[in-house]
Order: sequence, then structure tokens, then C-alpha cells
Amino acid sequence: EADIYQTPRYLVIGTGKKITLECSQTMGHDKMYWYQQDPGMELHLIHYSYGVNSTEKGDLSSESTVSRIRTEHFPLTLESARPSHTSQYLCASRKETGQNYGYTFGSGTRLTVV
Amino acid sequence: DQQVKQNSPSLSVQEGRISILNCDYTNSMFDYFLWYKKYPAEGPTFLISISSIKDKNEDGRFTVFLNKSAKHLSLHIVPSQPGDSAVYFCAASRYNYGQNFVFGPGTRLSVLP
Repeated sequence: EADIYQTPRYLVIGTGKKITLECSQTMGHDKMYWYQQDPGMELHLIHYSYGVNSTEKGDLSSESTVSRIRTEHFPLTLESARPSHTSQYLCASRKETGQNYGYTFGSGTRLTVV
Repeated sequence: DQQVKQNSPSLSVQEGRISILNCDYTNSMFDYFLWYKKYPAEGPTFLISISSIKDKNEDGRFTVFLNKSAKHLSLHIVPSQPGDSAVYFCAASRYNYGQNFVFGPGTRLSVLP
């Protein structure tokens, strides 16, 4: 059973539309992340948050925005979608105790802008 | 400039044999490394990690080796199974400095029956 949920799994949308990709986790993790991945390419960090009311831009410039009003929720918004935004978007959260310092990823949202 | 490189985009291995996936990094300050596996249409799942204070970490069929002087790590899967067919990502971080992880482009492993 997934502990981090992303919706929708697939989205096809027209240019200029506003969209919000949802991400929720039930693990109580403080740190959450959004990655963007094109086929055959590395995961690029576009946004991250270290807790409520904390948001930072990642290594890859993105026209999207994020918010973190609740610990469990980290939505990503595109105000005006463009074909260049077509990609897979992966949400992740991280725990920092125990041996595993790694991320738990959601199943991703594959976005196509036409 | 890619900080984490996986120079083999794909690898095919017979079932039961060893799979060796390689990863090179450029930043000698990286101190923590992760391997993830990704099936199509799913998010990556954590496989195994290694800290720079170690040169080997084992978990079942999966072993990660770290060669700090060569800035190289490798993931060994023994024996390989058809269910291991997936894309494998290597990730690195200056974890003790609070940096986020940088991911490589991935290697697609196909385990042939």
C-alpha cells in the first residue's frame, strides 16, 4: 500500500490551462520534493520543502509553483500549461532516521500538454 | 554538467547471472549514495544505500560497492531474475551538509529468461 499518493496518474490538457498536481503522504515526513523526468533522462529536482510554510526552488528552473500549508500535502501548480511542460512529475518525501536516508516516491503524474 | 553519470543506457543479462550496474560521480564531496529501481508508469523504489565511510553494503541479492578514489560505485545483483528488469538510478548527495540528492540518468536492465 502506497504511503505517498499522486493524482492524477495521467493528464492530457490544452495549452494555457491551469493545472494542479496533487501529492499527499501519510508518513509524517517533513521533507517533500517534486522531480521532473523526461524519458531516458535523469530526475531533476524542481521544488522542495523542509516543512510547513517552507518551499524552495530546485536545481532545474521551472515555471511551476508549490505550496506547503499542511505537512502531508505538497501540491504543484502550473498557471498556464505549455507543450514544453509535457513530462513526468514525481513527488517524494524523505525520512532521516534509521539506515535509509532515501526518498519514498509516489507513482508519478504523466502530463501531456497539447 | 552531469554530476552523476551512468554511462550505460541499457544492459542485458541472462537470468541467474550477475548484473553489474555502474555509476560515476564528479563531486568528491559526495558522502551518501542511493540506488533506486523504477518500473514503467511507477515511481522509483529505494533499493540500497551506502555511506562514504563504507566501501560495501549488502542486502540480500543486492550489493553496492563504493570506490571513493575512483569516484565510482557499482550495484551487483546476484542472481539476476526477470523481475529485476527495470531502470536503475544512482543518486548522490553531500548529505552531511544537508544537500539534496542528485540523480543519474538511469540504466535500463533487461534480465532474459
